[in-house]
Amino acid sequence: LAKTTQPISMDSYEGQEVNITCSHNNIATNDYITWYQQFPSQGPRFIIQGYKTKVTNEVASLFIPADRKSSTLSLPRVSLSDTAVYYCLVGDIAGGTSGTYKYIFGTGTRLKVLA
Amino acid sequence: DTAVSQTPKYLVTQMGNDKSIKCEQNLGHDTMYWYKQDSKKFLKIMFSYNNKELIINETVPNRFSPKSPDKAHLNLHINSLELGDSAVYFCASSQVGDRGNHFGNGTRLTVT
Repeated sequence: LAKTTQPISMDSYEGQEVNITCSHNNIATNDYITWYQQFPSQGPRFIIQGYKTKVTNEVASLFIPADRKSSTLSLPRVSLSDTAVYYCLVGDIAGGTSGTYKYIFGTGTRLKVLA
Repeated sequence: DTAVSQTPKYLVTQMGNDKSIKCEQNLGHDTMYWYKQDSKKFLKIMFSYNNKELIINETVPNRFSPKSPDKAHLNLHINSLELGDSAVYFCASSQVGDRGNHFGNGTRLTVT
């Protein structure tokens, strides 16, 4: 299972764009890249997932270069409520026919948004 | 309308006791999981159950045992609790074709 490396913490100000980069040098062919957000006293919440190039949804964008050895989560115009820990994971989305995901959560990036 | 719910939210107990944490999901998912998040916030998968079959066991002590009475429930039983078991335990579920795990809000276990 591929291991991920991401910055331990980041600070930003409201209204700014935040980019969090994750390294996953040993990513396998079948692995997808998934980002989760975790607030204190809550379980992680799925944000976005991708395999290659760029993926965008209503809350974030995910940029994945051609070699897939890293990825960047982009949060546009952050607000105070985006203060949380962000986890980058790689794993086989298909999980075979069972739909089971063997995720390894790294240390996460603690994002603090300042007023 | 909670998708994955765990009880209790907090559990304080003494060393040597046996305790259980319950988990229920109303998403109709086939697979359920237990994760442990320690004081350093590392989140590690412990078990997963698919169609009542244990398919992942990440070398956790055999004092921990998952029990699944039906597809919607995966309870975690812990025997002879130790100080090092203190952590937040998260239940999660997933489905084929889904994009990841749906997590509950955790159970904070404190062993004194």
